[in-house]
Amino acid sequence: KAGVTQTPRYLIKTRGQQVTLSCSPISGHRSVSWYQQTPGQGLQFLFEYFSETQRNKGNFPGRFSGRQFSNSRSEMNVSTLELGDSALYLCASSQGQWSYNEQFFGPGTRLTVL
Amino acid sequence: DAKTTQPTSMDCAEGRAANLPCNHSTISGNEYVYWYRQIHSQGPQYIIHGLKNNETNEMASLIITEDRKSSTLILPHATLRDTAVYYCIGALNNAGNMLTFGGGTRLMVKP
Repeated sequence: KAGVTQTPRYLIKTRGQQVTLSCSPISGHRSVSWYQQTPGQGLQFLFEYFSETQRNKGNFPGRFSGRQFSNSRSEMNVSTLELGDSALYLCASSQGQWSYNEQFFGPGTRLTVL
Repeated sequence: DAKTTQPTSMDCAEGRAANLPCNHSTISGNEYVYWYRQIHSQGPQYIIHGLKNNETNEMASLIITEDRKSSTLILPHATLRDTAVYYCIGALNNAGNMLTFGGGTRLMVKP
């Protein structure tokens, strides 16, 4: 069974631009979560989608948004990029509805904002 | 989610057991203890989780104290490929898939 895939793997943008990252969960998984990882803040939860509905949201500004499609694929968007948005963005999928289902992480998208 | 405390780093000799402690004294009765690890340049990997009872799978064993205030992840025969940052997380079982990662323990397995 294929793992979680994220595209693109690397991205370079400039301040003020916007970016869209994509995540394809493991087949059959209905929950997709997004995390941001930076050297200073570590791994931080962004948001989680289940059956096309946002179920949880972390403490991030409104510039960060996401959505999930009917096939469970998910996208996250960051508008008006800032230098501090440079990070590894990780997507994780889970089979079921509750957190005791293990999450499978993708390799991440490394975003660099210049 | 419960706040967890882990040592910043640990060393372990290859082939020996690695015992990684985690303190979660504020954990509530319905919060599970999860362990993930992150090998350099990769996404985190699920290892094991438990509520009250000790758990074992092909990767590791999880020992949870009776009062549930602490736990220990045991890698029975550590290999160089087990070098990673290990995260202990307390999470509700009905809060959706939202994990709060702390600083974790950087485990270095040495030959």
